[in-house]
Amino acid sequence: DAGVIQSPRHEVTEMGQEVTLRCKPISGHNSLFWYRQTMMRGLELLIYFNNNVPIDDSGMPEDRFSAKMPNASFSTLKIQPSEPRDSAVYFCASSLRGQFDYEQYFGPGTRLTVT
Amino acid sequence: AQSVTQPDIHITVSEGASLELRCNYSYGATPYLFWYVQSPGQGLQLLLKYFSGDTLVQGIKGFEAEFKRSQSSFNLRKPSVHWSDAAEYFCAVGARGTGGYQKVTFGIGTKLQVIP
Repeated sequence: DAGVIQSPRHEVTEMGQEVTLRCKPISGHNSLFWYRQTMMRGLELLIYFNNNVPIDDSGMPEDRFSAKMPNASFSTLKIQPSEPRDSAVYFCASSLRGQFDYEQYFGPGTRLTVT
Repeated sequence: AQSVTQPDIHITVSEGASLELRCNYSYGATPYLFWYVQSPGQGLQLLLKYFSGDTLVQGIKGFEAEFKRSQSSFNLRKPSVHWSDAAEYFCAVGARGTGGYQKVTFGIGTKLQVIP
């Protein structure tokens, strides 16, 4: 298996621009997580999907952030408009809901820089 | 709500020396505990996990961790460190979140430096 795939790996954009991060989970996994990692706050859960349905979005910082999962093999995290404080590494992780739904497999991350 | 404390932000050890990374958790029930490793520019990889049973857990790459309920700890150990172990290590605790899934809360991480 190719593992969790994220694109792009690096993104540099100007404040006010729209940013879309993409994730392809491991085939067969039915849970998907988006995390944000910063030096100050560590690794934070933004949103969790199960069977393509958002279950817990309490970690989404504000309305500028939105996430979708149109099918089992694709998810996006969108920031519109972006701000410098959104600069971070964004990780996508997937797992198989059930006994081991906490065994999460992480993608390589997208490093976002907003200038 | 659950929480995880990793008291050491940065640790330096000599290659071949033993290693212990500390982790303390806070959770009202029996926790699900994890250690992940993150190499530079990479995502997190699961090293080992504890759900129940034997409190000494073996993981990949020669790592082990011991769950001590009385101390609310889940320290990670390795008897002999290799230069390739230089990375950042995250302790995490799982608990039921909204919708009944396992919500995993991560510690701030410990950066391990290995010197010759």
